[in-house]
Amino acid sequence: QSVLTQPPSVSAAPGQKVTISCSGSRSNIGSNYVSWYQQVPGTAPKVLIYEDNKRPSGIPDRFSDSKSGTSATLDITGLQTGDEADYYCGTWDSSLNTVIFGGGTKLTVL
Amino acid sequence: QVQLQQWGAALLKPSETLSLTCAVSGGSFSGYYWNWIRQSPGKGLEWIGEINYIARTNYNPSLKSRVTLSVDTSNNQFSLRLTSVTAADTAVYFCARGHITIFGSDGSGSSRWFDPWGQGTLVTVSS
Repeated sequence: QSVLTQPPSVSAAPGQKVTISCSGSRSNIGSNYVSWYQQVPGTAPKVLIYEDNKRPSGIPDRFSDSKSGTSATLDITGLQTGDEADYYCGTWDSSLNTVIFGGGTKLTVL
Repeated sequence: QVQLQQWGAALLKPSETLSLTCAVSGGSFSGYYWNWIRQSPGKGLEWIGEINYIARTNYNPSLKSRVTLSVDTSNNQFSLRLTSVTAADTAVYFCARGHITIFGSDGSGSSRWFDPWGQGTLVTVSS
């Protein structure tokens, strides 16, 4: 059971928008920045978003995030078949004194 | 461009010690924290711990009693040792560069994110 809660799966059609939620508590999302990772099965995770909607070089602005209280959300617009992957949120937990991740969400582009 | 290349034993017996090393090339070794993160088959990500170039460490409390991270600054490498492994330690182990920013006048908030990652090493514990 992960400290951060994500839906196990989401799906949408190409070109559409999908939202992936990440729910936590005051000691993690409520007081620290969230980062988001994309993982294609069999490969290492790749960071998409960090520190209040910042994107590393090469990550398109189709990926964005937002935070409200103790929850964060990753939005992906203009879905492409290449976006099919597992998505993870992660942050620091100030009470547990450890990095924590969500359980992951499998995105299917129908 | 920074690259991480990792290696180590892939098959262990219960009670043995897991040992992995990650080499950093193409960028600065100091100024970052270097991390180990694992992923059990079909499961999510679990942070193991981090070390910087002066060997300052932070460990996941759930693994702290069995984990030791070390650093070799002369070769820009860092290593993971996990003792007394069991089947529950079977996982893909990743090394990753950690980016840390502390916020707030009291340092109460932080940003931690990981990029790039090593290619991953599947470690299987089986008798």
